[in-house]
Amino acid sequence: DADVTQTPRNRITKTGKRIMLECSQTKGHDRMYWYRQDPGLGLRLIYYSFDVKDINKGEISDGYSVSRQAQAKFSLSLESAIPNQTALYFCATSGPRGTEAFFGQGTRLTVV
Amino acid sequence: AQTVTQSQPEMSVQEAETVTLSCTYDTSESDYYLFWYKQPPSRQMILVIRQEAYKQQNATENRFSVNFQKAAKSFSLKISDSQLGDAAMYFCAYRSAGQGAQKLVFGQGTRLTINP
Repeated sequence: DADVTQTPRNRITKTGKRIMLECSQTKGHDRMYWYRQDPGLGLRLIYYSFDVKDINKGEISDGYSVSRQAQAKFSLSLESAIPNQTALYFCATSGPRGTEAFFGQGTRLTVV
Repeated sequence: AQTVTQSQPEMSVQEAETVTLSCTYDTSESDYYLFWYKQPPSRQMILVIRQEAYKQQNATENRFSVNFQKAAKSFSLKISDSQLGDAAMYFCAYRSAGQGAQKLVFGQGTRLTINP
């Protein structure tokens, strides 16, 4: 089983719909991240969290919200999806100081 | 705010040759970490190499090495003896050090093509 699991892997949704992307990890890491990847723009940070009480906005948090339900779970919501939010979304976790980040398999989201 | 810039959207190299990918970053912090990640078509993110900012010695991992210039805020990746399996997107990343949530910021990526 993967250390960082994202669901769903692919999703097509309609404009205006609410959608949730889920992420769970078995690494025991405190830090979790959500990114979106667009061609030519790299991975841009949406939100990041140290623990269930610590949520921080990244560069592009507008239109998104998150929930850290437990140390191992970090969900990303699009309250009212728009076509501009069509992208590849990644969840990642990291351990103590300086250690590498571990990524989920990504969720390909298409908003039509 | 910390930013990472990769100015080469695409690079290509002949198999067995050497290629260098550029990365610059901006930060006011003195303690941080830098990484290079590889993303093949499978879209999996794979760590290539990491560098601690407090270490002057450049990190190396087999055919991969970095040129870390802290004063210039530059962190380039050199791939020696390029192989077909090196073809991928490469991302440079910056991670804050310190307590609590540590921001992890990526560059725009460089697509590397290996010509046989």
